[in-house]
Amino acid sequence: GNSVTQMEGPVTLSEEAFLTINCTYTATGYPSLFWYVQYPGEGLQLLLKATKADDKGSNKGFEATYRKETTSFHLEKGSVQVSDSAVYFCALSDRTGTASKLTFGTGTRLQVTL
Amino acid sequence: DTAVSQTPKYLVTQMGNDKSIKCEQNLGHDTMYWYKQDSKKFLKIMFSYNNKELIINETVPNRFSPKSPDKAHLNLHINSLELGDSAVYFCASSGDVGNTIYFGEGSWLTVV
Repeated sequence: GNSVTQMEGPVTLSEEAFLTINCTYTATGYPSLFWYVQYPGEGLQLLLKATKADDKGSNKGFEATYRKETTSFHLEKGSVQVSDSAVYFCALSDRTGTASKLTFGTGTRLQVTL
Repeated sequence: DTAVSQTPKYLVTQMGNDKSIKCEQNLGHDTMYWYKQDSKKFLKIMFSYNNKELIINETVPNRFSPKSPDKAHLNLHINSLELGDSAVYFCASSGDVGNTIYFGEGSWLTVV
């Protein structure tokens, strides 16, 4: 079956540091890949996505590239801010008939300090 | 103009009670979902409906019963609540293009 593996957190960084959160996946076929973010006490927000190999998703300074050869979708940001503190979830989507089923990683908590 | 809205946001109830969480989406999507996030933040799909028809039904106790009166609504009813049902329940929806799933803000259920 499908699975997503994320690096364990928490990840603690100083403001303006470079961020990488690793994500690898196992899937049959060619799934779409996503990063979702959950800020403290809030719901899940779509951060970025990529639907095919070599696609790069980007949003709010975050980027991730769909690497089929390494089955990875690592999240990066060049300069993090305190407001980026949240839990980040990597996920893959595959179709079951007319529904898309998301398989999530366990989430990585990011804490950014001044 | 919230895309996926669910109520209530917070719910504290006693063991053995029956409760419902309501969900509505105004995105015009045909497919809706319920996901559960446990205390360790792990997210797992529970159900999916497409145009009022059940498509995905993961291994969920039959105390949980989704109901979809129309394609814009998917409610979750839980009977005989147990302590282990305490979690955050997320409603979500998706269209046919791009597979992107949009989530509501979550309903924090605490069973005491």
